[in-house]
Amino acid sequence: QVQLVESGGGLGKPGGSLRLSCAASGFTFSDYYMSWIRQAPGKGLEWLSYISDSGSYTKYADSVRGRFTISRDNAKNSLFLQMNSLRGEDTAVYYCARENLVRGVTEGFDIWGQGTMVTVSS
Amino acid sequence: EIVLTQSPGTLSLSPGERATLSCRASQSVSNSYLAWYQQKPGQPPKFLIFGASSRASGIPDRFSGSGSGTDFTLTIDRLEPDDFAVYYCQQYDRSPRTFGQGTKVEIK
Repeated sequence: QVQLVESGGGLGKPGGSLRLSCAASGFTFSDYYMSWIRQAPGKGLEWLSYISDSGSYTKYADSVRGRFTISRDNAKNSLFLQMNSLRGEDTAVYYCARENLVRGVTEGFDIWGQGTMVTVSS
Repeated sequence: EIVLTQSPGTLSLSPGERATLSCRASQSVSNSYLAWYQQKPGQPPKFLIFGASSRASGIPDRFSGSGSGTDFTLTIDRLEPDDFAVYYCQQYDRSPRTFGQGTKVEIK
């Protein structure tokens, strides 16, 4: 079935790095834009970044621009988020999500992974 | 960026009642590029509505979305026990994509 599975979360130190991965299955990964979205404990949802289907176009939220890098490997049906210069406020559950494709236009996030927890602490 | 403000923060209702959730945008959302999600504790959000009023696959017709411009509404008819959750609106008209802060629908 259509599925996204994140991995790579854990404890990171302030100023350190982590790399998240998202494995896609059950659909043609290379047809879809993909996003990373996070949720701090007890808080709402924050979109972080998206990448185009080919990987040639990316966009970031101001809160992570210059620190996080989104990428993908369509041959391996995988999405990545390289997180550098980690801060305490980056502590959150990180979700990868597929962008809903409707007649060539992306409309919302239709498939979400279960999330991976990132904790930034010394 | 487009700021989405959801109201009320919490809605206390009984099963069988109707829930009306509001999402107001700080700027007009073109083409009604607005979605709604349901989230239960410990779970990822579930896609409910896109294009302000189109139901996602498998979503019962008790869930309906409406609105345009800056004012949008999610209506849940005949609340069922499984509907009690937090609901988020999200716009994808302009970058950055933004979410509302959520409305919790709780059992009265």
